[in-house]
Amino acid sequence: AQSVTQLGSHVSVSEGALVLLRCNYSSSVPPYLFWYVQYPNQGLQLLLKYTSAATLVKGINGFEAEFKKSETSFHLTKPSAHMSDAAEYFCAVSGNGRGANSKLTFGKGITLSVRP
Amino acid sequence: DAGVTQSPTHLIKTRGQHVTLRCSPISGHKSVSWYQQVLGQGPQFIFQYYEKEERGRGNFPDRFSARQFPNYSSELNVNALLLGDSALYLCASSAGTEQETQYFGPGTRLLVL
Repeated sequence: AQSVTQLGSHVSVSEGALVLLRCNYSSSVPPYLFWYVQYPNQGLQLLLKYTSAATLVKGINGFEAEFKKSETSFHLTKPSAHMSDAAEYFCAVSGNGRGANSKLTFGKGITLSVRP
Repeated sequence: DAGVTQSPTHLIKTRGQHVTLRCSPISGHKSVSWYQQVLGQGPQFIFQYYEKEERGRGNFPDRFSARQFPNYSSELNVNALLLGDSALYLCASSAGTEQETQYFGPGTRLLVL
């Protein structure tokens, strides 16, 4: 069984400030981990993914995340927030194979607001 | 290249009715997954199909069914609609290989009155 916990439902930062969105996971198999972003009235866009290669993963739009097995965490960061980063962010986990092992289990999401 | 497409974009139904949602995957992708996203929550896995066969099913009642066609497009059917079925239904396509990434469509927003 797999699960994702995203602490807090809303994070607010000032433009130019550090963005830190937390994600902790539980998985009975070595996990694949993902961060997706959802803008209002849109589908999900992949930001980055971890698939057992480098533990520090760089994604689009300046985001990155670090896989820490000892802490079962995969926190998302961005050094300097931009107004266009305001959106809903979802962390997701899947197993490391095909078929049912590849289904995504999502957290509840975090709404990021960026203040001018 | 076109991404994942879904139709319709919005739909309003009444309780007890039936609905069919459609999805076309990215060209070359053989796997389609369906997710339900209730307002304020993360998406929940409903089904996954690969090469027209069901690979996985989430914890949804039998009122939910799906199928995949030879061209890899897919339909999600929901019978006897309930108010609680109101949600954004997302389709995702992937190549069907290991380490696969799922790419999502814009979704179909279903409102059940």
